[in-house]
Amino acid sequence: SQTIHQWPATLVQPVGSPLSLECTVEGTSNPNLYWYRQAAGRGLQLLFYSVGIGQISSEVPQNLSASRPQDRQFILSSKKLLLSDSGFYLCAWTKTLNWSYEQYFGPGTRLTVT
Amino acid sequence: KQEVTQIPAALSVPEGENLVLNCSFTDSAIYNLQWFRQDPGKGLTSLLLIQSSQREQTSGRLNASLDKSSGRSTLYIAASQPGDSATYLCAVRPGNRGSTLGRLYFGRGTQLTVWP
Repeated sequence: SQTIHQWPATLVQPVGSPLSLECTVEGTSNPNLYWYRQAAGRGLQLLFYSVGIGQISSEVPQNLSASRPQDRQFILSSKKLLLSDSGFYLCAWTKTLNWSYEQYFGPGTRLTVT
Repeated sequence: KQEVTQIPAALSVPEGENLVLNCSFTDSAIYNLQWFRQDPGKGLTSLLLIQSSQREQTSGRLNASLDKSSGRSTLYIAASQPGDSATYLCAVRPGNRGSTLGRLYFGRGTQLTVWP
């Protein structure tokens, strides 16, 4: 069966510090991968998606970036965090060879920028 | 751009009640629709997936319907239990399989509380 991991689970970082959040998927190959952010009082916002190694598409221009160094690894980064980057970050995946495109989510990372 | 609305934003019911959560979307050209559950501080758990050609899907006490032409979906929960307390999110996947890349548009959710 497939599982998706995210770490860390929680993170408190000062403004201006760097960020690296990691997501890995087990039990599948060549998944589509996604980063979402869920801010307090707001819906889920798609940040980035990737259809393969090194292929990243950005939905929202901001000070965040994403990378996919391996097939089942997706990393969200920032060089300098802003207060507005606080939120709950969720990684998700879909099977690429499955017609349903059902999406599965990881446990999330709670980021607080102070 | 696809917009997804969920009504009500919050719902509080006694245990045992049957209830309906509503979801509407502005663009009927969807590939499928997915209902999720989110517990506080947790990720999303997929509950039901309805393809655009389907009218409903059932899983246990849950039944989701889809009326694509009117841009509506409902999630019916039978015999609600305190363990059903969570936020329920509706999401639509636009277009055809060739263009979607699996991208979802989410509503803001309905926060459900079932009290004993």
